[in-house]
Parts: sequence; C-alpha cells; structure tokens
Amino acid sequence: GENVEQHPSTLSVQEGDSAVIKCTYSDSASNYFPWYKQELGKRPQLIIDIRSNVGEKKDQRIAVTLNKTAKHFSLHITETQPEDSAVYFCAASPPYNQGGKLIFGQGTELSVKP
Amino acid sequence: SAVISQKPSRDICQRGTSLTIQCQVDSQVTMMFWYRQQPGQSLTLIATANQGSEATYESGFVIDKFPISRPNLTFSTLTVSNMSPEDSSIYLCSTQGKAGVEQETQYFGPGTRLLVL
Repeated sequence: GENVEQHPSTLSVQEGDSAVIKCTYSDSASNYFPWYKQELGKRPQLIIDIRSNVGEKKDQRIAVTLNKTAKHFSLHITETQPEDSAVYFCAASPPYNQGGKLIFGQGTELSVKP
Repeated sequence: SAVISQKPSRDICQRGTSLTIQCQVDSQVTMMFWYRQQPGQSLTLIATANQGSEATYESGFVIDKFPISRPNLTFSTLTVSNMSPEDSSIYLCSTQGKAGVEQETQYFGPGTRLLVL
C-alpha cells in the first residue's frame, strides 16, 4: 500500500523567511496530493492541493510542487508570518475511483518566530 | 466546503465501556471516512463508511472494535467498543464527493477527543 514520508518533523524560521516541507510517496498510482494545516486543538484544514497532471500550483504565499518521476512533492511558504505556526501534514491519495482515501505523512511542526 | 459536525466533541470514559461518535454533514456526500489521531501523531485511516453496505476497514482495525454505520449520504457513526486507555485519541470524520467540489477534496469534522481512564 501507499506510504508517505515527510521531512522535517520540526522547522523553525524567522518571520519573513521561507519554509519548505518535503514529502515522498511510494505508490506511483497516487494522483492527488493535498496539504493540511492543523492548529493546536483544531481540525486539519486543507490549504492547497495538487493533482498529478500538474507540476506546480500557487495560492498567494503558498505553493506546491510535484515531481512524479521522483515521487516527491513539496510545500513552499514564502514571507512567513507568526500565524503560519502550526502542524502541516501532506497526504497522498489513489485515484478517486479506487476509494479516495488519504495516506498522511508524519507531520511537520512549523514555528515562525517574530 | 462541506459543513461537518461531530458529537460529542469530547468525552471521558471508563475502560470496558463503548462510545458512539456521530458525524453529520450539511449536504449529501459520496464518501465518508473515519480517522484516528493519537496525541502528537499524524492521522491514520480507520475505515471508509460505505452507504448501504459494510464499512471497509484498514489493516489493524476490525469491525468488532470499531463498528461503523452509514444509513444515508449525510450521516455516519463510529463506535469505539470495549475501550482501553490505548483508545485515547482524537477521532475525526471526513467527507469527500460533495456536489460542486472536486471529487478528491476531503474536509474534516472538528473531531471527538476521547480520554479513557
């Protein structure tokens, strides 16, 4: 089955710097890769996602890149702000018609220091 | 996005008892899932709740321990049976396949925080 590895487990940056979180997946059939942000005591919130027919997607300060050949994808946050501090999870999903379940990475605790 | 509610939001239970968690969605969705998030850990899929048929369980999870119901396209329940302290976790439902939304997009409920003593 699918396995997702996420690095680093913790990341500390200064406000205004960029943050990059990387994930690798094992199942080449996976074709959907969302990123979730989870603040303490709250539910995971979808912040961006990418499908396997696209190499990069941007939404304001957040971008995700996907390398299907290498089976890895990354989250990039630019101009970080203290409110970006949270745990970020990547996930991979097989095709929707194969059940659509998400397999999550281990999470990255991002701390943005003012 | 779908509006998803869960009940109860939290509970403290005695070992050996069972707790049923409800998940309600504000519109019909194709897929509903149940995840477990142990303290400080990632999310692990327990099962896919199938409407009108038995749930599909992931490796390591069994129906006797986590019976699931899905009577219609907006509601599901997860029961944690014969609880032990190791069952202390956050239990989250998620939905996928809401009309007007990309098929794969999954949204999560607020979670149920369970503490077993």
